[in-house]
Amino acid sequence: QLQLQESGPGLVKPSETLSLTCTVSGGSISSSNNYWGWIRQSPGKGLEWFGSIYYTGSTYYNPSLKSRVTMSVDTSKNQFSLKLTSVTAADTAVYYCASRRRDGSSDYWGQGTLVTVSS
Amino acid sequence: DIQMTQSPSSLSASVGDRVTITCRASQSIGNFLNWYQQKPGKAPKLLIYVVSSLQSGVPSRFSGSASGTEFTLTISSLQPEDFATYYCQQSYSTPSTFGQGTKLEIK
Repeated sequence: QLQLQESGPGLVKPSETLSLTCTVSGGSISSSNNYWGWIRQSPGKGLEWFGSIYYTGSTYYNPSLKSRVTMSVDTSKNQFSLKLTSVTAADTAVYYCASRRRDGSSDYWGQGTLVTVSS
Repeated sequence: DIQMTQSPSSLSASVGDRVTITCRASQSIGNFLNWYQQKPGKAPKLLIYVVSSLQSGVPSRFSGSASGTEFTLTISSLQPEDFATYYCQQSYSTPSTFGQGTKLEIK
């Protein structure tokens, strides 16, 4: 059974870069069956899909965020990461990492991490 | 982006009731429709994928169906642990998008 765990700062200053890492255990991030993704949840915008990355590094980003988002994968550490640049208060949310199957459903999720953007 | 519209936004029901939640897509999404359950402070949990396939470990009282661009989640007999918020998600095209949620409360 896969387990995912987000890590990273809980407080980021406006205009800076939000960086989060998701550590996968109980399975290999190099599995051909899964993509790996990030979703956030804020009261104002509900659930918002950021994008997905395959273990080869191939990415699919939400076009509305594409200019600010970078995802990467480190197969040696069984981790994948999210960077979101030029953050504002609107980026305050709970950030989840999740596995994403080929049909697009997400069967395993991290517990979520609250990131607050504030000076 | 494909818009997913859930109805109702909230619903009060009693243990044992049959409940139906609807999700309408703004355009055709084939069968790429998934349902999640979320409880306060927890991550969403996958219930049903590709319209009607039950995720492993999910009770059979949950079921899904579709008619064109309208999708339905049915809970046949509500149990106390089912009171939560439910979300639909389309995974047909990028970006994947979610409905705004349906909060199921105890009557």
